[in-house]
Amino acid sequence: SDLTQDPSVSVALGQTVRITCQGDSLRGFFANWYQQKPGQAPVLVIHGKNNRPSGIPDRFSASDSGTTASLTITGAQAEDEADYYCSSRDKTNNHLVIFGGGTRLTVL
Amino acid sequence: QVQLQQSGPGLVKPSQTLSLTCSISGDSVSSNSASWNWIRQSPSGGLEWLGRTYYRTRWYSHYAVSVKNRINITADTSQNQVSLHLHFMTPEDTAVYFCARIPGGSYYWFDLWGQGSLVSVSS
Repeated sequence: SDLTQDPSVSVALGQTVRITCQGDSLRGFFANWYQQKPGQAPVLVIHGKNNRPSGIPDRFSASDSGTTASLTITGAQAEDEADYYCSSRDKTNNHLVIFGGGTRLTVL
Repeated sequence: QVQLQQSGPGLVKPSQTLSLTCSISGDSVSSNSASWNWIRQSPSGGLEWLGRTYYRTRWYSHYAVSVKNRINITADTSQNQVSLHLHFMTPEDTAVYFCARIPGGSYYWFDLWGQGSLVSVSS
């Protein structure tokens, strides 16, 4: 089972952007979202239904509908420019985990 | 504060076995809620989950289909470490390898990551 993300998305500084993740596994499991900057390990920004770990700004939020999960950044900042990955449990074997291919976010 | 510290070689020859270790501080590899994972990132950029191990009255391991015939993830309770062993390495296994923790819960998120280990496969 795969998760599909758009390879790249851009947003003007201060505007709102939505990054999507599609896959059959999302019908049964919430997506989790990670931010990765060059040369660094990924950082969890959203987990479960719409939960932000401590230290993650509240401009990050998540939603889901059917087989599509979305990460929304409301009022994007320059420091949000990064790669974003979704992950979920695999519907075909729910002991396993799958990742989306990642979306590169450019803040203009 | 929980931390994951990775160690291991940066260069492996084709057909050899890669062994990486993730030392855990601030949590226990035998935790009844957490699981310990290995994930890699190829030069092209995408993340690939490789497998995980965890303890729930006994040890369990689960592996990605893509590597399940040549991977082993083990735990060392005396050292509080988890190790990745990936056999029959090829140049396509060149990647940055991460260990990561799933803290528990139903949706398997990775809340902590190691620093990453760049592994090249070359003769």
